[in-house]
Amino acid sequence: NAGVTQTPKFRVLKTGQSMTLLCAQDMNHEYMYWYRQDPGMGLRLIHYSVGEGTTAKGEVPDGYNVSRLKKQNFLLGLESAAPSQTSVYFCASSYLGYYNEQFFGPGTRLTVL
Amino acid sequence: SQQGEEDPQALSIQEGENATMNCSYKTSINNLQWYRQNSGRGLVHLILIRSNEREKHSGRLRVTLDTSKKSSSLLITASRAADTASYFCATVEAGGTSYGKLTFGQGTILTVHP
Repeated sequence: NAGVTQTPKFRVLKTGQSMTLLCAQDMNHEYMYWYRQDPGMGLRLIHYSVGEGTTAKGEVPDGYNVSRLKKQNFLLGLESAAPSQTSVYFCASSYLGYYNEQFFGPGTRLTVL
Repeated sequence: SQQGEEDPQALSIQEGENATMNCSYKTSINNLQWYRQNSGRGLVHLILIRSNEREKHSGRLRVTLDTSKKSSSLLITASRAADTASYFCATVEAGGTSYGKLTFGQGTILTVHP
């Protein structure tokens, strides 16, 4: 099993450009999450999904959109990138949520110039 | 935000010594988890302790939870150079709509010198 994979690993964007980050998991997990990690601030939740076709806002959702058309995939979109979105983005998944650990992907390092 | 605080922010020890990291949080929780992150990598789950538990062990790891003080500690015994990493506590808020969402602390950077 590959676990949780993220594409791409690195990306540099110019202000105003758009892009989509792809997260895929092969563990048949129901719950998926997108976090961002900034220096000195730990991880913060952007959006999450509790099943195929569902999405919900997390702590810092502004400037991002998500979709979960297939159970195994969770996409994070930036419609008009801003320098404040320079960060490392992590996707995670878990079986049910409450008492289950989350499995994290390797991260995508995004720089917005 | 329930962003917790971790103490110390950085810890430097020698191989064989014990490492203790502390975490505080702000609201009622369902459970608290500890994760490890090696430099440039994703997070790896270490241990989960439920709100009705006070102590839990896993190998060289010992976690305690004091819900009255809203605090937890992670003890790594007989540390090794390979334990060098950042360690994060994360909480799942109590209540039916938390959906397992994690709120992370800022992390403790542990360096173990050979």
